[in-house]
Amino acid sequence: GAVVSQHPSRVICKSGTSVKIECRSLDFQATTMFWYRQFPKQSLMLMATSNEGSKATYEQGVEKDKFLINHASLTLSTLTVTSAHPEDSSFYICSARGEETDYQPQHFGDGTRLSIL
Amino acid sequence: GNSVTQMEGPVTLSEEAFLTINCTYTATGYPSLFWYVQYPGEGLQLLLKATKADDKGSNKGFEATYRKETTSFHLEKGSVQVSDSAVYFCALSDRVYSTLTFGKGTMLLVSP
Repeated sequence: GAVVSQHPSRVICKSGTSVKIECRSLDFQATTMFWYRQFPKQSLMLMATSNEGSKATYEQGVEKDKFLINHASLTLSTLTVTSAHPEDSSFYICSARGEETDYQPQHFGDGTRLSIL
Repeated sequence: GNSVTQMEGPVTLSEEAFLTINCTYTATGYPSLFWYVQYPGEGLQLLLKATKADDKGSNKGFEATYRKETTSFHLEKGSVQVSDSAVYFCALSDRVYSTLTFGKGTMLLVSP
């Protein structure tokens, strides 16, 4: 079945560092990918929708200069957290939209635990 | 706008007990409804879905019926196992392949 790979699974870095997270669709082409943020014991908050070859659409309240999203190919989207600070620590999850014949609307990666010291 | 409300957890059960996790929704039109499961430290896995009224989704012993009259999609399982311990999210999309709106999640803890 369709698989989404997210890397790295865990990042620990110092405040001020920029961190890149990759999301790959392994066996299908994903024209649309989504980035979510999940705080402890809370639901997923959609940050942005990424369409291949065009600028991402950010949800209200999400800083586009802080969270840079690139979707340069049909199988890869990246999220870069620029100049990360402790308040950016969170669990970030990507997903890729399935094909119209697919059973489910989005396939999720396993998430990235980001810890900023 | 769309919204999903699900019961707060944690829900604590003994093995082989009956499980119900309530979920209600608000949406325009006729949404598709989903239950996702998240095991510790992992992403989300689709558990089951229903795309129209009166549809029943089922998988791994879990069931949920799309009730348009009560705008509900309650998750049930007749006999839970320790391995079912996880966080369960109810979600909807206004079309099958549109953006997902999630509930806040319900943690299920099953003890031996």
